[in-house]
Amino acid sequence: EVQLVESGGGLVQPGRSMKLSCAASGFTFSNYGMAWVRQAPTKGLEWVATISYDGSSTYYRDSVKGRFTISRDNAKSTLYLQMNSLRSEDTATYYCTRRGEVMDAWGQGASVTVSS
Amino acid sequence: DIQMTQSPSLLSASVGDRVTINCKASQNINKYLNWYQQKLGEAPKLLIYNTNNLQTGIPSRFSGSGSGTDYTLTISSLQPEDFGTYFCFQHNSWPYTFGAGTKLELK
Repeated sequence: EVQLVESGGGLVQPGRSMKLSCAASGFTFSNYGMAWVRQAPTKGLEWVATISYDGSSTYYRDSVKGRFTISRDNAKSTLYLQMNSLRSEDTATYYCTRRGEVMDAWGQGASVTVSS
Repeated sequence: DIQMTQSPSLLSASVGDRVTINCKASQNINKYLNWYQQKLGEAPKLLIYNTNNLQTGIPSRFSGSGSGTDYTLTISSLQPEDFGTYFCFQHNSWPYTFGAGTKLELK
């Protein structure tokens, strides 16, 4: 069974950093591109970033470019999202997804609240 | 950025109804259009990918169609478990974008 389990969320002050992790199991992680999608409270879905299967290519939405870094460790079957210079508008549930274009599997989400 | 306009934003329907949800892209997205269902408090679930491909395990009452800028999700006979919010998503060009969602509720 495909499983994606996010961790690392919580409350953080504006301007500070936070790193999310997504542990994958039930499939060959190194064969798949991965992505992060977020959802602000009571709002719609927003694609954040995508990484290729081998980590050689990454893509970001403009509002996080230069602040967020998507990365992966295929030996550990883990996806990461390093978030720096956090803003209140980054407050959301962050979902890890498999296959950046099709997004056929989703984690349960990690809640990130940016507030002083 | 490609804008995805979903309609309606709210849809009231009864069990057994045939329902359609529309998604219009601001430019041609070459059928790179997926549909997701989200229930309250849960992660989204993939229903249809690349316009008309049914994801494994999704009931055949769900179907998708469209081309160019206009796409449709159809539920042929609404079941109680189908109520929730539906999102379209384009992956033709960066940044990938979602529609704002259609909330399907019980009439």
